[in-house]
Amino acid sequence: SYELTQPPSVSVSPGQTASITCSGSKLGDRFACWYQQKPGQSPVLVIYEDFKRPSGIPERFSGSNSGNTATLTISGTQAVDEADYYCQAWDGNVVFGGGTKLTVL
Amino acid sequence: EVQLVVSGGGLVQPGRSLRLACEASGFTFDDFAMHWVRQAPGKGLEWVSGINWNSGSIDFADSVKGRFTISRDNAKNSLFLQMNSLRTEDTAFYYCVKDLGQQQLVFDYWGQGTLVTVSS
Repeated sequence: SYELTQPPSVSVSPGQTASITCSGSKLGDRFACWYQQKPGQSPVLVIYEDFKRPSGIPERFSGSNSGNTATLTISGTQAVDEADYYCQAWDGNVVFGGGTKLTVL
Repeated sequence: EVQLVVSGGGLVQPGRSLRLACEASGFTFDDFAMHWVRQAPGKGLEWVSGINWNSGSIDFADSVKGRFTISRDNAKNSLFLQMNSLRTEDTAFYYCVKDLGQQQLVFDYWGQGTLVTVSS
C-alpha cells in the first residue's frame, strides 16, 4: 500500500520559515494537500492540489510537489501556526501522512 | 457558513453496532461527495469511507471493508455511517468531511469529531 512519510516534529523560531516535508513514491505525479490541526480542534485544509490556498488561508502558507517530495512552507511563522500538519494524497484510496508537530519557539 | 454536525458516538462493546449521522448545512449538499475520516486518540488521520453525490460510487478503507456501510439522504442533507462488528481498534474520533468537489478527495470542511469508544 502507498505510504506518505513526514518528520515527527519540526521546530522554528517566530518570523522564520518553516518547511515540512512529505515523502512518497513518485508523489510529484499526484496531487498533494495539507491540513492543519490544532489541539482539540478539527483539521483545516491549508493547501490543496500541491500549491493552491483555500480562501481565508494566509499567504504565508505555500506548497510545492516534485519528484518524491511535497513540501509545506510557512513564511514568517507565527505562534498561531503551532499545530500538527498532515499531508494527504490519493493512490486508489486516500492516504495521509503520519503528521508533523510544528513547534514555534 | 458550512456546518457539519455529527451525532451518534458513544461507548459500545466489541462486536456491537453503532450508527453515526452528519447533518450538513450552508452548501448544496447533493453537489458534493462526502467522507468519514477517523483519528484514534493521540494518533494520525485515517480515511474511512467516501460516497459520491448520488451514492453511485462508494469506497471503504480496507480496515473497515465488509463491516461499515456509508449512505446519504440528499433530501435531508444527511450522511450516515453504519458501523457493525466493532473492534477495539475502531476506537477514534470520527469526522464528517465535505469533499471539495465530486470526489476530488480534497477535504475542505470538517465537522466536529464524535468519539466512538469500543470497549467491554
